[in-house]
Amino acid sequence: QKEVEQNSGPLSVPEGAIASLNCTYSDRVSQSFFWYRQYSGKSPELIMSIYSNGDKEDGRFTAQLNKASQYVSLLIRDSQPSDSATYLCAVNRGLGTGGFKTIFGAGTRLFVKA
Amino acid sequence: IAGITQAPTSQILAAGRRMTLRCTQDMRHNAMYWYRQDLGLGLRLIHYSNTAGTTGKGEVPDGYSVSRANTDDFPLTLASAVPSQTSVYFCASSDSGQRDTQYFGPGTRLTVL
Repeated sequence: QKEVEQNSGPLSVPEGAIASLNCTYSDRVSQSFFWYRQYSGKSPELIMSIYSNGDKEDGRFTAQLNKASQYVSLLIRDSQPSDSATYLCAVNRGLGTGGFKTIFGAGTRLFVKA
Repeated sequence: IAGITQAPTSQILAAGRRMTLRCTQDMRHNAMYWYRQDLGLGLRLIHYSNTAGTTGKGEVPDGYSVSRANTDDFPLTLASAVPSQTSVYFCASSDSGQRDTQYFGPGTRLTVL
């Protein structure tokens, strides 16, 4: 089992619709969760971070975290063609040494059709 | 502010050759990372450094080495390149807290023939 799992997609949604991207993680001690967006040929950039159970909203983006189910999602409202990209889920978990480890999922490709 | 720069942008390398990928950040971040990204496998951590003078192994360190002589620079060296090291390499940096965002460089596309 991968530590962070995402559906590779592609996920295709019409312009204006809600895109729902999902991520599950295997380690219950994980504490910090991130969504990065990566356009083709470009480097990842942070979209959202979330640390507590519940929802966190930022503009058209909402991150949802459920630690009991080990599940984190990203909702994109009013999807635009410019949202077409690969979305990477990343999970930080603490190590016994006091450091932490970041694990990235393989990413979900999103296509927003005009 | 440039953020993170990487050089070269791309490189074709003969197998067996030595290669150093350069990474420089100007954000005074304590932590720096090297990842490789391969289709279907996502980002995999090669090596990391929590602060200048220290380094650690990530998920796929074999065949790679790093050094962190100062805060800004974190070069990645392939001592003897092999075709399986063909990949896109990303350098990233962050403050050292667990909640801190990682900022990525533009990447280096490396092809080993």
